Amino acid sequence: AQRVTQPEKLLSVFKGAPVELKCNYSYSGSPELFWYVQYSRQRLQLLLRHISRESIKGFTADLNKGETSFHLKKPFAQEEDSAMYYCALKPHSGGSNYKLTFGKGTLLTVNP
Amino acid sequence: DAGVTQSPTHLIKTRGQQVTLRCSPKSGHDTVSWYQQALGQGPQFIFQYYEEEERQRGNFPDRFSGHQFPNYSSELNVNALLLGDSALYLCASSFGQGGLGVYGYTFGSGTRLTVV
Repeated sequence: AQRVTQPEKLLSVFKGAPVELKCNYSYSGSPELFWYVQYSRQRLQLLLRHISRESIKGFTADLNKGETSFHLKKPFAQEEDSAMYYCALKPHSGGSNYKLTFGKGTLLTVNP
Repeated sequence: DAGVTQSPTHLIKTRGQQVTLRCSPKSGHDTVSWYQQALGQGPQFIFQYYEEEERQRGNFPDRFSGHQFPNYSSELNVNALLLGDSALYLCASSFGQGGLGVYGYTFGSGTRLTVV
């Protein structure tokens, strides 16, 4: 079974402070991990995926298979980063499992 | 490109009724997935359609059914509505046989279903 846990429902930081949104997963096979973001009154959109290994809007995330984690980090938070963030998992390409499993989300608020 | 279009945006139904939600995928996408998002929860996978067939299904009862048309658009049908079916229903499209495509899903804005 696939499971994604985001332990923090709410996270509040000040502008310029570092931010880390936690994500832990459970999956016996090889996973693909994603972060999706939903800004106020906008639709859910892909922020980054671990296989791309790129930084989007200053955010990075490293897949740690030993700790089964995929935490999202940004060194200096901006007010425009305030949004709901969802971590999601999909079995690696191949096979017949196309299901994307989401965590419950973390609402990030960046205060001025 | 309008991206993924869902209709209607809001809907109120009575317990026991049936509902049909519609989704037009992003141009160039051939795969449609449906998700249910209850209040305070992350989206939950209902099913995915590819080449007009249900390719995979999540843990939802048979009251939830769907269809994909030759133009890749899709419908989600829910019969015998329960109060617990009240949720935001999201449609996500992608391209590629792998189900998710290279760039991940493109989500619609959703249909807010309220069952009273």
